[in-house]
Amino acid sequence: NAGVMQNPRHLVRRRGQEARLRCSPMKGHSHVYWYRQLPEEGLKFMVYLQKENIIDESGMPKERFSAEFPKEGPSILRIQQVVRGDSAAYFCASSPRLQETQYFGPGTRLLVL
Amino acid sequence: AQKVTQAQTEISVVEKEDVTLDCVYETRDTTYYLFWYKQPPSGELVFLIRRNSFDEQNEISGRYSWNFQKSTSSFNFTITASQVVDSAVYFCALSEGETSGSRLTFGEGTQLTVNP
Repeated sequence: NAGVMQNPRHLVRRRGQEARLRCSPMKGHSHVYWYRQLPEEGLKFMVYLQKENIIDESGMPKERFSAEFPKEGPSILRIQQVVRGDSAAYFCASSPRLQETQYFGPGTRLLVL
Repeated sequence: AQKVTQAQTEISVVEKEDVTLDCVYETRDTTYYLFWYKQPPSGELVFLIRRNSFDEQNEISGRYSWNFQKSTSSFNFTITASQVVDSAVYFCALSEGETSGSRLTFGEGTQLTVNP
């Protein structure tokens, strides 16, 4: 049973470009979460999705960030017009049900030049 | 609002020493869940344990043990006979009951270095 998969593992973007981060949850998991880890900091919740629905986006920055989890395919975290402050590790996690253990993917390290 | 505090930013021990990582949490919910995750130098996050607020039994898994005390709002993690491979950042996390869905609130992490 494959774990949570994220790609790319590393992403380099120049300021103003768009970044798309992908997350495929574990088989049988319909709940997906995104977290951000800024350098030398802990992890901060961004958004919680179920298939085709955003359940909680209270941790998402108000502008430039969006997330989706379509009926088919991976969850996507999209960052438009990236700035240097967006450089961080972005982790995706999945769980089979509400309040169950969240298993994390390996993360995507985004570097904005 | 929920909050997790890991007061120890860094701990350094010599191999075979026992080490305890502290975690103190704040929540208004009566139903909540506590977690520990390990982040080794390679960067991934590894799940270690999940505890619900109604189960205060301590748990032991090999060299790892956890002490959950609701009276002091603490969920401490002890590694017995530490090994170099235990070197990592350890995160304590809290998930409240129905009020906040499943989102995890993490502490700032404790960097554990085990020296040979």
